[in-house]
Amino acid sequence: DTAVSQTPKYLVTQMGNDKSIKCEQNLGHDTMYWYKQDSKKFLKIMFSYNNKELIINETVPNRFSPKSPDKAHLNLHINSLELGDSAVYFCASSQVPGTAEAFFGQGTRLTVV
Amino acid sequence: GENVEQHPSTLSVQEGDSAVIKCTYSDSASNYFPWYKQELGKRPQLIIDIRSNVGEKKDQRIAVTLNKTAKHFSLHITETQPEDSAVYFCAAKGAQKLVFGQGTRLTINP
Repeated sequence: DTAVSQTPKYLVTQMGNDKSIKCEQNLGHDTMYWYKQDSKKFLKIMFSYNNKELIINETVPNRFSPKSPDKAHLNLHINSLELGDSAVYFCASSQVPGTAEAFFGQGTRLTVV
Repeated sequence: GENVEQHPSTLSVQEGDSAVIKCTYSDSASNYFPWYKQELGKRPQLIIDIRSNVGEKKDQRIAVTLNKTAKHFSLHITETQPEDSAVYFCAAKGAQKLVFGQGTRLTINP
């Protein structure tokens, strides 16, 4: 029973393409996040949604657009991919924003060539 | 906003010895401090957390201490084992989000 699942696990694509990563959680949590982990392993928050509402939008290029169709899903769409977008993207969820355990998905390794 | 600094960035210890990782945070209003372990190619997973009304918490071989006055907290792993090798992240609650430290790559030498 996977708590937070994201697809795909690997994504290799050319510069300029548009791609999406999907995330679903079955924990009944109200809050979902997208984190980016670069090659140095630094985990940086990108977006956070609480009950389908955007509550955090860090300094992220507007080529990145999150969408939360319902509490259990938070997808990430990326337009006009660049080489610097290559990273591992983690979806996560928690019961409340920031003060409870965050459960992470298995990550999506995005490689832009 | 919250800023979290973590040291050291790499740590190598002999099996059976103890390992200590330290973090400092900037926002005195932060009240939740989790530690995550990330094994190679895997997702980060919570190993222990502490809230600001507690100074120390222990779970078997791992413990976390919190000094609110100095705004720092530490992870202690005793009797280290090869399976403890991983990247460890501290975090602190910022405004509706967790802010992570830069990570510590811990290697246990047999």
